[in-house]
Amino acid sequence: QQPVQSPQAVILREGEDAVINCSSSKALYSVHWYRQKHGEAPVFLMILLKGGEQKGHEKISASFNEKKQQSSLYLTASQLSYSGTYFCGTAGCGYGNNRLAFGKGNQVVVIP
Amino acid sequence: DGGITQSPKYLFRKEGQNVTLSCEQNLNHDAMYWYRQDPGQGLRLIYYSQIVNDFQKGDIAEGYSVSREKKESFPLTVTSAQKNPTAFYLCASSILYQNNEQFFGPGTRLTVL
Repeated sequence: QQPVQSPQAVILREGEDAVINCSSSKALYSVHWYRQKHGEAPVFLMILLKGGEQKGHEKISASFNEKKQQSSLYLTASQLSYSGTYFCGTAGCGYGNNRLAFGKGNQVVVIP
Repeated sequence: DGGITQSPKYLFRKEGQNVTLSCEQNLNHDAMYWYRQDPGQGLRLIYYSQIVNDFQKGDIAEGYSVSREKKESFPLTVTSAQKNPTAFYLCASSILYQNNEQFFGPGTRLTVL
Protein backbone atom coordinates (compact mmCIF):
# COMPACT_ATOMS: atom_id res chain seq x y z
CA GLN A 1 0.00 0.00 0.00
CA GLN A 2 1.34 3.38 -1.06
CA PRO A 3 2.60 5.57 1.81
CA VAL A 4 1.35 9.15 2.09
CA GLN A 5 3.88 11.96 1.88
CA SER A 6 3.29 15.49 3.17
CA PRO A 7 3.47 18.32 2.43
CA GLN A 8 3.17 17.91 -1.31
CA ALA A 9 5.50 20.85 -1.95
CA VAL A 10 7.82 23.07 0.06
CA ILE A 11 9.53 26.30 -0.96
CA LEU A 12 12.26 27.58 1.30
CA ARG A 13 15.17 29.99 1.18
CA GLU A 14 18.74 28.83 1.36
CA GLY A 15 19.69 28.27 4.98
CA GLU A 16 16.14 27.61 6.21
CA ASP A 17 14.92 24.34 7.70
CA ALA A 18 12.08 22.09 6.60
CA VAL A 19 10.52 18.77 7.61
CA ILE A 20 8.87 16.36 5.22
CA ASN A 21 6.87 13.34 6.30
CA CYS A 22 6.01 9.84 5.16
CA SER A 23 3.14 7.90 6.76
CA SER A 24 1.79 4.41 6.29
CA SER A 25 -1.38 2.69 7.44
CA LYS A 26 0.48 -0.63 7.61
CA ALA A 27 3.10 -1.80 10.08
CA LEU A 28 6.51 -0.87 8.76
CA TYR A 29 9.83 -2.63 8.99
CA SER A 30 11.89 0.00 7.23
CA VAL A 31 11.66 3.34 5.43
CA HIS A 32 13.94 4.31 2.55
CA TRP A 33 14.45 7.90 1.38
CA TYR A 34 15.51 8.92 -2.15
CA ARG A 35 15.90 12.28 -3.88
CA GLN A 36 15.26 12.82 -7.57
CA LYS A 37 16.25 15.78 -9.70
CA HIS A 38 14.05 16.51 -12.69
CA GLY A 39 14.57 13.98 -15.48
CA GLU A 40 17.20 12.04 -13.53
CA ALA A 41 17.30 8.80 -11.58
CA PRO A 42 16.41 8.77 -7.89
CA VAL A 43 19.44 8.81 -5.60
CA PHE A 44 19.57 6.96 -2.29
CA LEU A 45 19.70 9.06 0.88
CA MET A 46 19.13 6.72 3.79
CA ILE A 47 17.31 3.74 5.28
CA LEU A 48 15.67 3.76 8.70
CA LEU A 49 14.98 0.44 10.33
CA LYS A 50 12.57 -0.66 12.99
CA GLY A 51 14.53 -0.57 16.20
CA GLY A 52 16.33 2.66 15.40
CA GLU A 53 19.17 1.67 13.12
CA GLN A 54 20.00 4.04 10.26
CA LYS A 55 22.00 3.49 7.11
CA GLY A 56 22.93 6.43 4.94
CA HIS A 57 25.63 8.64 3.61
CA GLU A 58 24.02 12.06 3.30
CA LYS A 59 24.16 14.91 5.79
CA ILE A 60 20.40 14.86 6.09
CA SER A 61 18.83 13.46 9.23
CA ALA A 62 15.64 11.49 9.62
CA SER A 63 13.54 9.76 12.22
CA PHE A 64 11.27 6.74 12.29
CA ASN A 65 8.33 6.66 14.69
CA GLU A 66 7.32 3.01 14.89
CA LYS A 67 4.17 3.69 16.89
CA LYS A 68 2.85 6.16 14.34
CA GLN A 69 4.28 4.26 11.32
CA GLN A 70 5.77 7.53 10.21
CA SER A 71 9.14 8.81 9.11
CA SER A 72 10.29 12.42 8.93
CA LEU A 73 13.19 13.83 6.92
CA TYR A 74 14.85 16.96 8.30
CA LEU A 75 16.38 19.40 5.84
CA THR A 76 18.56 21.56 8.05
CA ALA A 77 20.29 24.73 6.86
CA SER A 78 19.08 23.92 3.37
CA GLN A 79 21.36 24.29 0.36
CA LEU A 80 20.41 24.91 -3.25
CA SER A 81 21.43 21.31 -3.99
CA TYR A 82 18.62 20.05 -1.73
CA SER A 83 16.08 20.97 -4.39
CA GLY A 84 14.32 18.01 -5.93
CA THR A 85 11.55 15.54 -5.24
CA TYR A 86 11.94 13.34 -2.18
CA PHE A 87 10.41 9.89 -2.24
CA CYS A 88 9.96 7.53 0.65
CA GLY A 89 9.79 3.80 0.03
CA THR A 90 8.37 1.54 2.69
CA ALA A 91 8.83 -2.15 3.42
CA GLY A 92 6.33 -3.94 5.58
CA CYS A 93 6.93 -6.55 8.19
CA GLY A 94 7.20 -10.05 6.85
CA TYR A 95 8.73 -9.22 3.50
CA GLY A 96 11.62 -11.51 2.64
CA ASN A 97 12.80 -9.34 -0.20
CA ASN A 98 13.62 -5.72 -0.90
CA ARG A 99 10.29 -4.78 -2.48
CA LEU A 100 9.25 -1.21 -1.65
CA ALA A 101 6.05 0.80 -1.94
CA PHE A 102 6.85 4.41 -2.86
CA GLY A 103 4.89 7.52 -2.03
CA LYS A 104 4.02 10.27 -4.49
CA GLY A 105 6.86 12.46 -3.35
CA ASN A 106 7.56 15.79 -1.65
CA GLN A 107 8.71 18.50 -4.05
CA VAL A 108 11.31 20.74 -2.42
CA VAL A 109 12.47 24.00 -3.97
CA VAL A 110 15.32 25.91 -2.34
CA ILE A 111 15.76 29.46 -3.58
CA PRO A 112 18.71 31.83 -3.03
CA ASP B 1 32.69 1.60 -13.07
CA GLY B 2 29.82 -0.43 -11.72
CA GLY B 3 26.34 0.73 -12.48
CA ILE B 4 23.01 0.22 -14.11
CA THR B 5 22.25 1.32 -17.66
CA GLN B 6 19.05 1.79 -19.58
CA SER B 7 18.65 2.39 -23.25
CA PRO B 8 17.50 4.30 -25.10
CA LYS B 9 16.94 7.48 -23.09
CA TYR B 10 14.03 8.54 -25.32
CA LEU B 11 11.81 6.21 -27.28
CA PHE B 12 8.93 6.94 -29.60
CA ARG B 13 6.49 4.33 -30.84
CA LYS B 14 3.24 4.20 -32.70
CA GLU B 15 0.14 3.07 -30.90
CA GLY B 16 -0.38 -0.70 -31.14
CA GLN B 17 3.31 -1.59 -31.36
CA ASN B 18 5.15 -3.60 -28.74
CA VAL B 19 8.38 -2.05 -27.50
CA THR B 20 11.20 -3.45 -25.37
CA LEU B 21 13.19 -1.35 -22.91
CA SER B 22 16.67 -2.47 -22.01
CA CYS B 23 18.13 -2.65 -18.48
CA GLU B 24 21.64 -3.94 -17.72
CA GLN B 25 23.61 -3.94 -14.47
CA ASN B 26 27.17 -4.94 -13.60
CA LEU B 27 26.77 -4.64 -9.84
CA ASN B 28 26.31 -8.39 -9.38
CA HIS B 29 22.90 -7.75 -7.82
CA ASP B 30 20.41 -10.59 -7.64
CA ALA B 31 17.31 -8.39 -7.46
CA MET B 32 16.06 -6.15 -10.25
CA TYR B 33 12.96 -3.97 -10.54
CA TRP B 34 10.96 -2.02 -13.08
CA TYR B 35 9.05 1.11 -12.07
CA ARG B 36 6.77 3.41 -13.95
CA GLN B 37 6.72 7.11 -13.10
CA ASP B 38 3.96 9.50 -14.10
CA PRO B 39 3.80 13.17 -13.06
CA GLY B 40 2.60 13.45 -9.47
CA GLN B 41 2.26 9.67 -9.05
CA GLY B 42 5.56 8.61 -7.60
CA LEU B 43 7.15 5.29 -8.48
CA ARG B 44 4.89 2.35 -9.15
CA LEU B 45 6.28 -1.17 -9.31
CA ILE B 46 5.63 -3.08 -12.53
CA TYR B 47 7.69 -6.27 -12.09
CA TYR B 48 10.57 -7.45 -9.98
CA SER B 49 12.94 -10.39 -10.07
CA GLN B 50 14.96 -11.96 -7.29
CA ILE B 51 16.77 -14.60 -9.29
CA VAL B 52 17.44 -15.64 -12.86
CA ASN B 53 14.42 -17.20 -14.63
CA ASP B 54 12.04 -16.00 -11.93
CA PHE B 55 10.02 -12.79 -11.58
CA GLN B 56 6.90 -11.52 -9.83
CA LYS B 57 4.19 -9.04 -10.74
CA GLY B 58 4.18 -5.71 -9.02
CA ASP B 59 1.25 -3.36 -8.55
CA ILE B 60 0.68 -2.44 -12.21
CA ALA B 61 1.84 -5.44 -14.29
CA GLU B 62 -1.07 -5.50 -16.75
CA GLY B 63 0.10 -4.80 -20.30
CA TYR B 64 3.77 -5.46 -19.51
CA SER B 65 6.03 -8.49 -19.71
CA VAL B 66 9.59 -9.20 -18.57
CA SER B 67 12.28 -11.85 -18.80
CA ARG B 68 15.33 -12.65 -16.67
CA GLU B 69 17.54 -14.99 -18.67
CA LYS B 70 20.77 -13.49 -17.33
CA LYS B 71 21.61 -12.04 -13.95
CA GLU B 72 22.77 -8.80 -15.55
CA SER B 73 19.75 -8.16 -17.74
CA PHE B 74 16.06 -7.50 -17.08
CA PRO B 75 14.30 -6.21 -20.22
CA LEU B 76 10.75 -4.86 -20.07
CA THR B 77 8.30 -5.19 -22.96
CA VAL B 78 5.46 -2.72 -23.15
CA THR B 79 2.75 -4.48 -25.10
CA SER B 80 -0.11 -3.08 -27.12
CA ALA B 81 -2.41 -4.18 -24.28
CA GLN B 82 -1.05 -1.39 -22.07
CA LYS B 83 -3.73 1.29 -22.31
CA ASN B 84 -1.61 4.33 -21.51
CA PRO B 85 2.07 3.46 -22.03
CA THR B 86 3.50 6.97 -22.29
CA ALA B 87 5.60 7.41 -19.14
CA PHE B 88 9.08 7.52 -17.64
CA TYR B 89 10.37 4.01 -16.92
CA LEU B 90 13.02 3.34 -14.29
CA CYS B 91 14.96 0.16 -13.73
CA ALA B 92 16.66 -0.57 -10.42
CA SER B 93 18.73 -3.29 -8.82
CA SER B 94 19.73 -4.24 -5.29
CA ILE B 95 21.22 -6.88 -3.09
CA LEU B 96 18.51 -9.46 -2.62
CA TYR B 97 17.70 -9.16 1.02
CA GLN B 98 15.65 -6.54 2.80
CA ASN B 99 16.96 -3.14 3.85
CA ASN B 100 19.45 -2.56 1.10
CA GLU B 101 19.42 0.48 -1.14
CA GLN B 102 18.12 0.23 -4.65
CA PHE B 103 20.35 1.60 -7.40
CA PHE B 104 18.45 3.24 -10.22
CA GLY B 105 19.27 3.54 -13.88
CA PRO B 106 18.91 6.85 -15.75
CA GLY B 107 15.46 5.92 -17.08
CA THR B 108 13.77 5.69 -20.48
CA ARG B 109 11.10 8.16 -21.48
CA LEU B 110 8.61 6.36 -23.70
CA THR B 111 6.18 8.33 -25.83
CA VAL B 112 3.49 6.52 -27.76
CA LEU B 113 2.06 8.55 -30.63
